[in-house]
Amino acid sequence: SQQGEEDPQALSIQEGENATMNCSYKTSINNLQWYRQNSGRGLVHLILIRSNEREKHSGRLRVTLDTSKKSSSLLITASRAADTASYFCATDYNTNAGKSTFGDGTTLTVKP
Amino acid sequence: DTEVTQTPKHLVMGMTNKKSLKCEQHMGHRAMYWYKQKAKKPPELMFVYSYEKLSINESVPSRFSPECPNSSLLNLHLHALQPEDSALYLCASSRAGTELGNTIYFGEGSWLTVV
Repeated sequence: SQQGEEDPQALSIQEGENATMNCSYKTSINNLQWYRQNSGRGLVHLILIRSNEREKHSGRLRVTLDTSKKSSSLLITASRAADTASYFCATDYNTNAGKSTFGDGTTLTVKP
Repeated sequence: DTEVTQTPKHLVMGMTNKKSLKCEQHMGHRAMYWYKQKAKKPPELMFVYSYEKLSINESVPSRFSPECPNSSLLNLHLHALQPEDSALYLCASSRAGTELGNTIYFGEGSWLTVV
């Protein structure tokens, strides 16, 4: 399977702390995207990073991409209770262009 | 708020019923998607339409039949479903294919229960 893998599966932190989630994938990608999903809702796009980029920022979010290790990380700084959600990476592989494949996701709980 | 609208939000159907899920977007996107998501699992791609033509079918059983009447609408026709088909069905769209770095915008989903 080309599906990405994320770790940890679950993460529980206190409000104000930073949260880091990792995504690993198997083959060359065109781009990688991160999404958030609140319980029972649709997915919300957070950030896209292309294969020729190494780092991107958006507000409290920082995404890195290491194509040599086939991995990406999502850092949420100064977390808030409202950040509680599941976070998924989605990869668009060179060999399956147009098919964004989602990783297993990380469930983040931010305690107030 | 999402700009991809899905109806109905909840659907309960028997195994002999025929029903449809509907999806609409007015962002001018030319790629539309159906995903299936089971509880505590990631979304799984079912179908991709590109410029109103079916471009990807992920070996989905024929009891699921997609239809793209025009560039704004995407339907998923359901017939003779099984209880294991109960899931959240997510519609999504993007300006063009994701290989070009286009963001996928998701609807809120339709919760389907097959009894």
